[in-house]
Amino acid sequence: DADVTQTPRNRITKTGKRIMLECSQTKGHDRMYWYRQDPGLGLRLIYYSFDVKDINKGEISDGYSVSRQAQAKFSLSLESAIPNQTALYFCATDTGPPSYGYTFGSGTRLTVV
Amino acid sequence: GDSVTQMEGPVTLSEEAFLTINCTYTATGYPSLFWYVQYPGEGLQLLLKATKADDKGSNKGFEATYRKETTSFHLEKGSVQVSDSAVYFCALGSQGGSEKLVFGKGTKLTVNP
Repeated sequence: DADVTQTPRNRITKTGKRIMLECSQTKGHDRMYWYRQDPGLGLRLIYYSFDVKDINKGEISDGYSVSRQAQAKFSLSLESAIPNQTALYFCATDTGPPSYGYTFGSGTRLTVV
Repeated sequence: GDSVTQMEGPVTLSEEAFLTINCTYTATGYPSLFWYVQYPGEGLQLLLKATKADDKGSNKGFEATYRKETTSFHLEKGSVQVSDSAVYFCALGSQGGSEKLVFGKGTKLTVNP
């Protein structure tokens, strides 16, 4: 099994629908992240969590929410999907400074039509 | 705030050519520096890292040296292969800053046979 598992791998949804992207990890790391990747824009941080009771907004959190159900699970929700949320979404875990051992999932390709 | 600037792509090279991808940074304190690679259809993977000035990170024939005087961490490889075709991301982790990795926008490399 992969260290960081994202589901689904691909999803097409309609404008206005609520959708949840799920992430689970077997690394035992406390720190987890959700990023969005768009061509030419690189990776942009949506939300991050340094432990189960700690949730923080990233640079582009509007239109998104998260839930940290357990140390190993961190879900991203789009409350009402819109077409400009079409992107590749990555979950990652991390050991923190100074080594920052980021491990990424394989990504979820989301298309909002 | 902390930031990373890497050369824009795409970069196209012939097999066995020399590769340089420039990366400069702005950060508080003494950051750790990283190069990540993303192969088509996959998540990012750590390629190499350096945690203090003058350190050289190396892996799979790639090298980068942490230059504090020029705030740079350029990625080099002496002879690229078709299998090196990927997107390369420079990143920094600042202990004096937000304690998260900050990524550059990525540079797409295509190596032709």
